Amino acid sequence: ENVLTQSPAIMSASPGEKVTMTCRASSSVSSSYLHWYQQKSGASPKLWIYSTSNLASGVPARFSGSGSGTSYSLTISSVEAEDAATYYCQQYSGYPFTFGSGTKLEIK
Amino acid sequence: QIQLVQSGPELKKPGETVKISCKASGYTFTNYGMNWVKQAPGKGLKWMGWINTYTGEPTYADDFKGRFAFSLETSASTAYLQINNLKNEDTATYFCARETTATKAMDYWGQGTSVTVSS
Repeated sequence: ENVLTQSPAIMSASPGEKVTMTCRASSSVSSSYLHWYQQKSGASPKLWIYSTSNLASGVPARFSGSGSGTSYSLTISSVEAEDAATYYCQQYSGYPFTFGSGTKLEIK
Repeated sequence: QIQLVQSGPELKKPGETVKISCKASGYTFTNYGMNWVKQAPGKGLKWMGWINTYTGEPTYADDFKGRFAFSLETSASTAYLQINNLKNEDTATYFCARETTATKAMDYWGQGTSVTVSS
């Protein structure tokens, strides 16, 4: 099983700040198969970034994703209040799919 | 528009069985696999497995082999998750999620079904 470790577990940012969260895999993942989801409290997860760097429909351009191999990241160039959520990475390198434990982003 | 609509909340006793439905609309059901994801209260996402909606073949994650069963009613564009012999630790919200074949991303999600197991 390819274990995904996300850091930090919780982060706090002020509006306008740039933030970066990371996702590290225990084994290499093809960049085509590394994805990010946003989940707000009480709601279903939403596909946010797919295949490392492609924004899902409706995702603001202040979000970006990058990485390769075992190290991936999600960056928000200028945080807004609506970005408060938990972000999960997910990978496929053969079954099982795995999710990271999530990074909770709080807005000051 | 594409939608996955799940059945309503369930309150069950230990040892009972629950069957959750996930009705798809807005696309050809058999063209996309369906995943099931568990989220225990206050916890993260855990992949349970998926079902090939074209062949009906299920694949289960190791922690979900035995008491869990995925099934389909293709004519109704509906996927099902059945959990037998319910345990307290099955208390969670269960999501169905459509899988894109090319990237294995889950691009559409149901609203979730809350299952509470309590004596």
